[in-house]
Amino acid sequence: EIVLTQSPATLSLSPGERATLSCRASQNINKYLAWFQQKPGQAPRLLIYDASNRATGIPARFSGSGSGTDFTLTISSLEPEDFAVYYCQQRSIWPPFTFGPGTKVDIK
Amino acid sequence: EVQLVESGGGLVQPGGSLRLSCAASGFTVSSSYMSWVRQAPGKGLEWVSVIYGGDKTSHADFVKGRFTISRDNLKNTIYLQMDSLRAEDTAMYYCARDVTFDLWGQGTRVTVSS
Repeated sequence: EIVLTQSPATLSLSPGERATLSCRASQNINKYLAWFQQKPGQAPRLLIYDASNRATGIPARFSGSGSGTDFTLTISSLEPEDFAVYYCQQRSIWPPFTFGPGTKVDIK
Repeated sequence: EVQLVESGGGLVQPGGSLRLSCAASGFTVSSSYMSWVRQAPGKGLEWVSVIYGGDKTSHADFVKGRFTISRDNLKNTIYLQMDSLRAEDTAMYYCARDVTFDLWGQGTRVTVSS
């Protein structure tokens, strides 16, 4: 089973700042990593798939990079609505599809 | 409108059963990978089951032998039959589309408690 590790667990930033979130896989998953955003009381929302492709309707301030075992989600300038929990997830080797434990981006 | 709507959650005693439904609109479930994902209170996301192709299925080890995913193409709906429920199955259950999980429902809450 592929294990995903996310860092940091919590990221405290101010609106307008740049956010950099990391996800590391326990083995090579090529480009098959996605990022999701989840706000309290809501379902997760796909932001990025296959490491760097923005999903439909996702603003350009969200970008993804990486391949193999190390991946990054960058939010170039935080908007108030971006404070949420972010999960990475792999689909390279399944079952099971696995998720990381999440990074909470909160307001400093 | 393209959407998923889950239903069927509720309170059930340990050892009991529930059947969750996920009704799709705007696309056909028969041509999609469809998964169930759960989230225990205050915890992260956990993949449960997937159905794809000609009714091929796969389940997470922690539900094997207890949960069964199925599909009704005429109703454009997928199901999760949950038997032998345990307290640790308490969670919000979401259905999601495709291997990219590009579309999610709003979830249905399952509570297993005596």
